[in-house]
Amino acid sequence: GAGVSQTPSNKVTEKGKYVELRCDPISGHTALYWYRQSLGQGPEFLIYFQGTGAADDSGLPNDRFFAVRPEGSVSTLKIQRTERGDSAVYLCASSSDRGAYNEQFFGPGTRLTVL
Amino acid sequence: GNSVTQMEGPVTLSEEAFLTINCTYTATGYPSLFWYVQYPGEGLQLLLKATKADDKGSNKGFEATYRKETTSFHLEKGSVQVSDSAVYFCALISRQAGTALIFGKGTTLSVSS
Repeated sequence: GAGVSQTPSNKVTEKGKYVELRCDPISGHTALYWYRQSLGQGPEFLIYFQGTGAADDSGLPNDRFFAVRPEGSVSTLKIQRTERGDSAVYLCASSSDRGAYNEQFFGPGTRLTVL
Repeated sequence: GNSVTQMEGPVTLSEEAFLTINCTYTATGYPSLFWYVQYPGEGLQLLLKATKADDKGSNKGFEATYRKETTSFHLEKGSVQVSDSAVYFCALISRQAGTALIFGKGTTLSVSS
């Protein structure tokens, strides 16, 4: 079946602009995660959804970052007033249960470049 | 806090050589441990996992043993192939800290024929 998909694959924007990144999880997966991977680093957790609600948003770096999952499937990560430091690959992952040691399946990522 | 430390790369080996990538961790409680792999142009994939002390995870000829006494989860393979060239990430989930993965920085492996 289809894996996790993310759109766009690449996004170039200017400093100060607003961007939206989309994640389509594997069908039926209730848990959804967003991570950010900077160059030469491992992915860092941003936010975790269980169903429609954000169960853990402790990784969001500041209030410019926000994410939604209104119907418990597709999720959108929103970044306001982008800064050059936001440039990174944004990864989405989903899993079939509450995520306690269940495998997280990752999408290919969205590469965000802020000029 | 919880963290993962991996040996720095790149690791460059000839085909059929023995591979070790070191990974140590700091965590509260008893974490589950993982190795993820990222092949060129592809997304992260789970390679293997171990959920309790002394467990050995294995897949595709790779192995790693959960060593609580040394807080380590070193990745090994007896004979690497060119197709193993990728970036390898050690990671943990600490139940006390939630269900998100905590990753190391990754180790790039390059295997030549």
